Amino acid sequence: GNSVTQMEGPVTLSEEAFLTINCTYTATGYPSLFWYVQYPGEGLQLLLKATKADDKGSNKGFEATYRKETTSFHLEKGSVQVSDSAVYFCALSDKSEGSARQLTFGSGTQLTVLP
Amino acid sequence: NAGVTQTPKFQVLKTGQSMTLQCAQDMNHNSMYWYRQDPGMGLRLIYYSASEGTTDKGEVPNGYNVSRLNKREFSLRLESAAPSQTSVYFCASSPVGRGNEQFFGPGTRLTVL
Repeated sequence: GNSVTQMEGPVTLSEEAFLTINCTYTATGYPSLFWYVQYPGEGLQLLLKATKADDKGSNKGFEATYRKETTSFHLEKGSVQVSDSAVYFCALSDKSEGSARQLTFGSGTQLTVLP
Repeated sequence: NAGVTQTPKFQVLKTGQSMTLQCAQDMNHNSMYWYRQDPGMGLRLIYYSASEGTTDKGEVPNGYNVSRLNKREFSLRLESAAPSQTSVYFCASSPVGRGNEQFFGPGTRLTVL
C-alpha cells in the first residue's frame, strides 16, 4: 500500500535559517504529492502541491520538487520566520480510478522558529 | 464562503455515551472525508464519501458510522464511545479533479473518559 515517511521532529531553527524537511514516499504508479501546514489550534491548509515528476510546487517562499527517481518531495525554505512555526505534513494521493482519491499522510514535523 | 465548518469544537464524553460530529461545506464539493489525528501518527482516514449517497470505509472505521445527509453535510457518529477514540477529528472536502486537493475544517477535540 501507499506510505509517506517524513523527517521526525521537532525541528528548532533561528529566524532566517534555512529549512529542509525530508519526505519520501512509497506508492504504485505516479501519485500527486502535497505539503500541508497546521498552525496551532487550526485545521490543515494546503501549502503546495505537485502532480507529476519534476514539477516544483511553491508558495510563501516554500518549495518542493517531485523527484520520481528518489521517490522524494522534500520541503525547503531559504529563510524561515517566526510565523512559520507550525506542524508540516507531507501527503500523497494516488491516481486510481474514482472521484474520491484518498490522501495518505506522513506523521508530521513540528517546526519552531526562534526570534 | 465559510469553507468547511465543524461542530462542536470541543466535547467530553463518558465511556459508552454516543454522539454525532457534524460537518458542512459550502464549496459544492463532491467528496467529503473524516480523519482522526493522534500524536505522532499524522491523520488517518476513518470514512469518506465520494459523492452524495455513497460512503466507504477508510483505514480506521471500527467504532464509527457516517451519514452523507446531502451534498453539503457529512456526519460522523460514535455509537458507544471508548477512551481509544480520544482524538482530534477533522472533516475535509474536495472537488473533482485538481489533484485531490482537500480543504479541512478546524477540527473537533474529543475526550472520552
